[in-house]
Amino acid sequence: DTGVSQDPRHKITKRGQNVTFRCDPISEHNRLYWYRQTLGQGPEFLTYFQNEAQLEKSRLLSDRFSAERPKGSFSTLEIQRTEQGDSAMYLCASSLNLAANTIYFGEGSWLTVV
Amino acid sequence: AQKITQTQPGMFVQEKEAVTLDCTYDTSDQSYGLFWYKQPSSGEMIFLIYQGSYDEQNATEGRYSLNFQKARKSANLVISASQLGDSAMYFCAMREGLGNNDMRFGAGTRLTVKP
Repeated sequence: DTGVSQDPRHKITKRGQNVTFRCDPISEHNRLYWYRQTLGQGPEFLTYFQNEAQLEKSRLLSDRFSAERPKGSFSTLEIQRTEQGDSAMYLCASSLNLAANTIYFGEGSWLTVV
Repeated sequence: AQKITQTQPGMFVQEKEAVTLDCTYDTSDQSYGLFWYKQPSSGEMIFLIYQGSYDEQNATEGRYSLNFQKARKSANLVISASQLGDSAMYFCAMREGLGNNDMRFGAGTRLTVKP
Protein backbone atom coordinates (compact mmCIF):
# COMPACT_ATOMS: atom_id res chain seq x y z
CA ASP A 1 0.00 0.00 0.00
CA THR A 2 1.60 3.24 -1.09
CA GLY A 3 -1.01 5.62 0.30
CA VAL A 4 -0.98 7.74 3.44
CA SER A 5 -0.99 5.48 6.48
CA GLN A 6 -2.30 6.39 9.92
CA ASP A 7 -2.04 4.55 13.20
CA PRO A 8 -3.97 3.73 15.29
CA ARG A 9 -7.22 3.80 13.36
CA HIS A 10 -9.27 3.97 16.52
CA LYS A 11 -8.40 5.07 20.03
CA ILE A 12 -10.58 5.26 23.13
CA THR A 13 -9.04 7.07 26.05
CA LYS A 14 -10.05 8.44 29.39
CA ARG A 15 -10.23 12.16 29.88
CA GLY A 16 -6.91 13.53 31.06
CA GLN A 17 -4.78 10.89 29.35
CA ASN A 18 -2.28 11.62 26.59
CA VAL A 19 -2.64 10.13 23.13
CA THR A 20 -0.33 10.03 20.13
CA PHE A 21 -1.19 9.43 16.50
CA ARG A 22 1.28 8.54 13.78
CA CYS A 23 1.15 9.37 10.10
CA ASP A 24 3.31 7.92 7.35
CA PRO A 25 2.94 10.04 4.20
CA ILE A 26 3.37 8.89 0.65
CA SER A 27 7.04 8.33 -0.04
CA GLU A 28 8.83 11.45 -1.33
CA HIS A 29 5.97 13.75 -0.41
CA ASN A 30 7.61 16.64 1.38
CA ARG A 31 4.42 18.31 2.58
CA LEU A 32 2.41 16.79 5.41
CA TYR A 33 -0.84 18.11 6.87
CA TRP A 34 -2.97 17.38 9.90
CA TYR A 35 -6.71 18.02 9.93
CA ARG A 36 -9.44 17.41 12.48
CA GLN A 37 -12.95 16.36 11.54
CA THR A 38 -15.91 16.26 13.91
CA LEU A 39 -19.21 14.59 13.13
CA GLY A 40 -21.23 16.36 10.49
CA GLN A 41 -18.45 18.77 9.59
CA GLY A 42 -15.78 19.01 7.00
CA PRO A 43 -12.12 18.69 7.97
CA GLU A 44 -10.49 21.64 9.72
CA PHE A 45 -6.85 22.49 9.17
CA LEU A 46 -4.55 22.05 12.18
CA THR A 47 -0.97 22.28 10.95
CA TYR A 48 1.42 21.43 8.16
CA PHE A 49 5.06 20.56 7.61
CA GLN A 50 7.45 21.21 4.78
CA ASN A 51 9.93 18.38 5.29
CA GLU A 52 10.77 18.56 9.02
CA ALA A 53 9.81 22.21 9.48
CA GLN A 54 6.39 23.01 10.94
CA LEU A 55 5.43 26.08 8.92
CA GLU A 56 1.90 26.84 9.98
CA LYS A 57 -0.37 26.15 12.94
CA SER A 58 -4.07 26.83 13.19
CA ARG A 59 -5.61 28.60 16.16
CA LEU A 60 -7.43 25.30 16.71
CA LEU A 61 -4.12 23.79 17.79
CA SER A 62 -4.11 24.60 21.50
CA ASP A 63 -1.02 24.21 23.67
CA ARG A 64 -2.17 20.69 24.54
CA PHE A 65 -1.51 19.67 20.96
CA SER A 66 1.93 19.13 19.52
CA ALA A 67 3.02 17.79 16.18
CA GLU A 68 6.43 16.70 15.03
CA ARG A 69 8.07 15.41 11.89
CA PRO A 70 11.59 14.75 13.10
CA LYS A 71 13.22 13.37 9.97
CA GLY A 72 10.90 14.80 7.38
CA SER A 73 9.21 11.47 6.86
CA PHE A 74 6.59 10.27 9.34
CA SER A 75 4.79 12.63 11.71
CA THR A 76 3.23 12.35 15.14
CA LEU A 77 0.37 14.32 16.64
CA GLU A 78 0.20 14.24 20.43
CA ILE A 79 -2.71 15.44 22.50
CA GLN A 80 -1.98 15.94 26.18
CA ARG A 81 -4.59 15.95 28.96
CA THR A 82 -7.34 14.96 26.56
CA GLU A 83 -10.79 16.51 26.91
CA GLN A 84 -14.13 15.23 25.66
CA GLY A 85 -14.13 17.98 23.06
CA ASP A 86 -11.07 16.41 21.49
CA SER A 87 -13.20 13.49 20.31
CA ALA A 88 -12.93 13.63 16.53
CA MET A 89 -11.24 12.04 13.58
CA TYR A 90 -7.70 13.21 12.96
CA LEU A 91 -6.76 13.13 9.32
CA CYS A 92 -3.28 13.22 7.90
CA ALA A 93 -2.55 14.20 4.31
CA SER A 94 0.50 14.66 2.13
CA SER A 95 1.41 16.30 -1.14
CA LEU A 96 4.48 16.32 -3.31
CA ASN A 97 5.20 20.03 -3.16
CA LEU A 98 3.67 23.49 -2.93
CA ALA A 99 2.38 23.46 -6.46
CA ALA A 100 0.75 20.06 -6.15
CA ASN A 101 -2.90 20.18 -6.97
CA THR A 102 -3.57 16.90 -5.27
CA ILE A 103 -3.41 16.38 -1.54
CA TYR A 104 -3.78 12.74 -0.54
CA PHE A 105 -5.46 11.85 2.72
CA GLY A 106 -5.12 8.85 4.98
CA GLU A 107 -8.05 6.96 6.45
CA GLY A 108 -7.92 8.94 9.65
CA SER A 109 -7.55 8.14 13.33
CA TRP A 110 -10.77 8.16 15.32
CA LEU A 111 -10.39 9.45 18.88
CA THR A 112 -13.05 8.98 21.53
CA VAL A 113 -12.46 10.58 24.91
CA VAL A 114 -14.64 9.15 27.67
CA ALA B 1 -17.44 34.17 7.34
CA GLN B 2 -18.10 30.84 5.70
CA LYS B 3 -15.62 30.31 2.89
CA ILE B 4 -17.20 27.22 1.37
CA THR B 5 -20.93 26.61 1.31
CA GLN B 6 -22.58 23.34 0.42
CA THR B 7 -26.32 23.88 0.68
CA GLN B 8 -27.42 20.28 0.18
CA PRO B 9 -27.03 18.18 3.33
CA GLY B 10 -28.31 15.13 1.46
CA MET B 11 -29.02 14.15 -2.10
CA PHE B 12 -30.59 11.09 -3.69
CA VAL B 13 -30.02 9.91 -7.24
CA GLN B 14 -31.16 6.91 -9.19
CA GLU B 15 -28.46 4.54 -10.36
CA LYS B 16 -27.16 5.44 -13.84
CA GLU B 17 -28.54 8.98 -13.61
CA ALA B 18 -26.44 12.14 -13.36
CA VAL B 19 -26.35 14.29 -10.22
CA THR B 20 -25.04 17.77 -9.43
CA LEU B 21 -23.65 18.65 -6.02
CA ASP B 22 -23.56 22.37 -5.31
CA CYS B 23 -20.67 24.36 -3.95
CA THR B 24 -20.22 28.10 -3.65
CA TYR B 25 -17.14 29.83 -2.30
CA ASP B 26 -16.04 33.19 -1.04
CA THR B 27 -12.62 34.68 -1.65
CA SER B 28 -11.02 37.96 -2.59
CA ASP B 29 -7.90 36.26 -3.91
CA GLN B 30 -7.38 36.07 -7.64
CA SER B 31 -5.41 32.85 -7.35
CA TYR B 32 -7.08 29.90 -5.70
CA GLY B 33 -7.83 26.23 -6.22
CA LEU B 34 -11.02 24.29 -5.78
CA PHE B 35 -11.16 20.63 -4.86
CA TRP B 36 -13.76 17.92 -4.48
CA TYR B 37 -13.23 14.95 -2.20
CA LYS B 38 -15.30 11.83 -1.60
CA GLN B 39 -15.43 10.35 1.89
CA PRO B 40 -16.93 6.85 2.17
CA SER B 41 -17.89 5.42 5.54
CA SER B 42 -14.34 4.13 5.98
CA GLY B 43 -13.27 7.73 6.58
CA GLU B 44 -10.62 8.16 3.90
CA MET B 45 -10.82 11.38 1.90
CA ILE B 46 -10.50 10.46 -1.76
CA PHE B 47 -9.41 13.19 -4.17
CA LEU B 48 -11.77 13.50 -7.15
CA ILE B 49 -11.08 16.63 -9.13
CA TYR B 50 -9.29 19.99 -9.08
CA GLN B 51 -10.02 23.35 -10.71
CA GLY B 52 -7.60 26.25 -10.70
CA SER B 53 -8.95 29.78 -10.71
CA TYR B 54 -7.09 30.56 -13.92
CA ASP B 55 -8.18 27.41 -15.71
CA GLU B 56 -10.42 28.42 -18.57
CA GLN B 57 -11.90 25.01 -19.15
CA ASN B 58 -13.96 23.02 -16.71
CA ALA B 59 -12.03 20.16 -15.15
CA THR B 60 -13.06 16.60 -15.96
CA GLU B 61 -11.91 13.29 -14.53
CA GLY B 62 -13.74 10.28 -15.86
CA ARG B 63 -17.35 10.45 -14.66
CA TYR B 64 -16.62 13.58 -12.63
CA SER B 65 -16.75 17.08 -14.03
CA LEU B 66 -16.60 20.43 -12.31
CA ASN B 67 -19.00 23.13 -13.46
CA PHE B 68 -16.88 26.20 -12.71
CA GLN B 69 -18.68 29.54 -12.88
CA LYS B 70 -16.13 32.06 -11.70
CA ALA B 71 -18.37 35.13 -11.74
CA ARG B 72 -20.93 33.35 -9.61
CA LYS B 73 -18.22 31.80 -7.43
CA SER B 74 -19.63 28.35 -7.82
CA ALA B 75 -17.88 25.04 -8.42
CA ASN B 76 -20.50 22.36 -8.70
CA LEU B 77 -19.55 18.71 -9.05
CA VAL B 78 -21.36 16.70 -11.68
CA ILE B 79 -21.30 12.92 -11.44
CA SER B 80 -22.53 11.17 -14.54
CA ALA B 81 -23.91 7.62 -14.73
CA SER B 82 -24.14 7.24 -10.93
CA GLN B 83 -23.10 3.93 -9.43
CA LEU B 84 -24.03 2.38 -6.09
CA GLY B 85 -20.43 2.83 -5.00
CA ASP B 86 -20.79 6.59 -5.37
CA SER B 87 -22.84 6.69 -2.16
CA ALA B 88 -20.69 8.71 0.25
CA MET B 89 -20.08 12.17 1.69
CA TYR B 90 -18.74 14.70 -0.79
CA PHE B 91 -16.74 17.71 0.30
CA CYS B 92 -15.90 20.83 -1.64
CA ALA B 93 -12.71 22.59 -0.57
CA MET B 94 -10.73 25.70 -1.48
CA ARG B 95 -7.12 26.70 -1.07
CA GLU B 96 -6.49 30.42 -1.45
CA GLY B 97 -3.40 32.05 -2.87
CA LEU B 98 -0.02 30.53 -3.52
CA GLY B 99 1.66 29.04 -0.50
CA ASN B 100 -1.36 29.27 1.75
CA ASN B 101 -2.02 25.78 2.92
CA ASP B 102 -5.13 26.38 4.95
CA MET B 103 -7.51 24.38 2.76
CA ARG B 104 -11.08 25.15 3.81
CA PHE B 105 -13.78 22.51 3.50
CA GLY B 106 -17.53 22.80 3.25
CA ALA B 107 -19.86 20.88 5.52
CA GLY B 108 -20.39 18.21 2.89
CA THR B 109 -23.25 16.59 1.02
CA ARG B 110 -24.30 13.01 1.64
CA LEU B 111 -25.10 11.34 -1.67
CA THR B 112 -27.20 8.20 -1.75
CA VAL B 113 -27.49 6.26 -4.99
CA LYS B 114 -30.65 4.21 -5.21
CA PRO B 115 -30.79 0.96 -7.22
